[in-house]
Amino acid sequence: SYVLMQPPSVSVAPGQTATITCGGDNIGRKSVHWYQHRPGQAPVVVVYDDSDRPSEIPARFSGSNSGNTATLTVSRVEAGDEADYYCQVWDVNSDHVVFGGGTKLTVL
Amino acid sequence: EVQLLESGGGLVQRGGSLSLSCAASRFTFSNYAMNWVRQAPGKGLEWVSAISGSGSNTYFADSVKGRFTISRDNSKNTLYLQMTSLRADDTAVYYCAKGDDSVPAAAFLDYWGQGTLVTVSS
Repeated sequence: SYVLMQPPSVSVAPGQTATITCGGDNIGRKSVHWYQHRPGQAPVVVVYDDSDRPSEIPARFSGSNSGNTATLTVSRVEAGDEADYYCQVWDVNSDHVVFGGGTKLTVL
Repeated sequence: EVQLLESGGGLVQRGGSLSLSCAASRFTFSNYAMNWVRQAPGKGLEWVSAISGSGSNTYFADSVKGRFTISRDNSKNTLYLQMTSLRADDTAVYYCAKGDDSVPAAAFLDYWGQGTLVTVSS
């Protein structure tokens, strides 16, 4: 089955840029979606289809996807961005939704 | 604003059964795929199952295939998850999530419910 690999944690100071990667075999050929999940809350999509952003999500959140790595970039990080972030794709070979293991973003 | 309200969670013994519901409102329910996603304590998100907007196509994670059934009643705007042969590792918060397309393969999950906790006791 298709596997998505994320770093368990990323730490960044306020105002800096956080980069969260999502690795998968030829992931560049798939549409990647990113979710933010704060404890006790429902997950929220922050980037879909590699680089599109829902209207309510700040432009500080951006995404890219090429080769074997998709990337979520959070610019000018704020304390409120602290959360777990998950990448997600659809695997056509198994007809499964696949989530990455999640990355905990800590704002120092 | 789209609303998704899960219900039916609770404590069940290992080997038992439980049925979850997700009441949807403020969108045309039959036009969109729906999913169940769970999060076990201290773990990440795990996709469980998906169903197309018409209900004609269903998909399951390997970990639940043969034990869980997903269905929907488009006349009642409600999604269901029937869980049988429950195991301790099925303990999780179960989220109902709406796809942005009628076909699960083409959809990201644009709205999520608050989740319902299922605890399987051993």
